[in-house]
Amino acid sequence: QKEVEQDPGPLSVPEGAIVSLNCTYSNSAFQYFMWYRQYSRKGPELLMYTYSSGNKEDGRFTAQVDKSSKYISLFIRDSQPSDSATYLCANTGGFKTIFGAGTRLFVKA
Amino acid sequence: EAQVTQNPRYLITVTGKKLTVTCSQNMNHEYMSWYRQDPGLGLRQIYYSMNVEVTDKGDVPEGYKVSRKEKRNFPLILESPSPNQTSLYFCASSSPRTMNTEAFFGQGTRLTVV
Repeated sequence: QKEVEQDPGPLSVPEGAIVSLNCTYSNSAFQYFMWYRQYSRKGPELLMYTYSSGNKEDGRFTAQVDKSSKYISLFIRDSQPSDSATYLCANTGGFKTIFGAGTRLFVKA
Repeated sequence: EAQVTQNPRYLITVTGKKLTVTCSQNMNHEYMSWYRQDPGLGLRQIYYSMNVEVTDKGDVPEGYKVSRKEKRNFPLILESPSPNQTSLYFCASSSPRTMNTEAFFGQGTRLTVV
């Protein structure tokens, strides 16, 4: 079993839709959870991170961690074509970081 | 401008010919790391460094070497590259002050070993 599992997609949605991206993780010792966005031919960029359980909101993006089910989610409201990218979830305890395989998202205008 | 710079961006080489991919950061970050990205497998950590002269293995270190003689530089060395090391490589840096949650990535190095 991979330490962080993520559905690779691709996921295709119309502009304006609410997008839900999900991951599961197995290492309970890692308390920090991140979402990165990666555009084609670029390095990943941090979108947001959360510590332990709960929600965190930043504009159209909401990150959610459910430690009881070991589930990480990213919600994108009012999705835009510019949101088309690969989204990577990650889990870290400090030095070692484990990434999911990434979900490719396409937002159609 | 804060950045992580990798060189080269693209490299085609032959099996067994030693190569080095350089990585440099200008943010005075203590922590640096190398990843490889393969379809369906995502980003996998090769090596990481907590500070100068302190390195440790990640999940896929076989066939790679690293060194951290200066804070800003973290080169990745392939002593005898093989075709299974064909991949997209990323260097990243971050600060312990953010618990390494915000990693800054380079633009990537696409390596092909024939």
